[in-house]
Amino acid sequence: GQQLNQSPQSMFIQEGEDVSMNCTSSSIFNTWLWYKQDPGEGPVLLIALYKAGELTSNGRLTAQFGITRKDSFLNISASIPSDVGIYFCAGQGRNAGGTSYGKLTFGQGTILTVHP
Amino acid sequence: EAQVTQNPRYLITVTGKKLTVTCSQNMNHEYMSWYRQDPGLGLRQIYYSMNVEVTDKGDVPEGYKVSRKEKRNFPLILESPSPNQTSLYFCASSLSQGYTEAFFGQGTRLTVV
Repeated sequence: GQQLNQSPQSMFIQEGEDVSMNCTSSSIFNTWLWYKQDPGEGPVLLIALYKAGELTSNGRLTAQFGITRKDSFLNISASIPSDVGIYFCAGQGRNAGGTSYGKLTFGQGTILTVHP
Repeated sequence: EAQVTQNPRYLITVTGKKLTVTCSQNMNHEYMSWYRQDPGLGLRQIYYSMNVEVTDKGDVPEGYKVSRKEKRNFPLILESPSPNQTSLYFCASSLSQGYTEAFFGQGTRLTVV
């Protein structure tokens, strides 16, 4: 099946630093999503990207859908302690008939630790 | 409040003892799915359902069953749990098959001894 490689696996940063993480795929996706998971909770959607080349921001978060449709990155600017958590990328493809299907393929996650 | 509710949140069981993890959503979503989360592997889809009475296998369906008799409920059944099914399980729902935003439950941490 489709696979996503997400890097880095973990990051330890100081409060105020910028963060960058990315995902690459062996195949094309039509939608890229970025989720954040707080300890003891389920993932929550941060940003959704629907078009190759698209750059979207949500507050201090910025994500881009790669031109090749095989990659995406997420940047967090001026990190704060509440940014701590696991960040997941996820991709959604289309079936052979060209219809979007709901299956999401997730990356392995990036564990972010922010030191005050 | 729009939500996906899973029960139980924590479960310890013994090998071979059948169990069911319930999932319910109150958003009238058509699409529901189950994922398991394991360290270093991210979330992997177990089963999904595009609507009532329509279910299909995800990436790791072995050892699991599901049913979708009502739109709001999508239980996950482990007929004969084994230790390799020890994991953190998430139920998710979205508006329809092609709608990307998935809402996740809070998770069920299952330990099989």
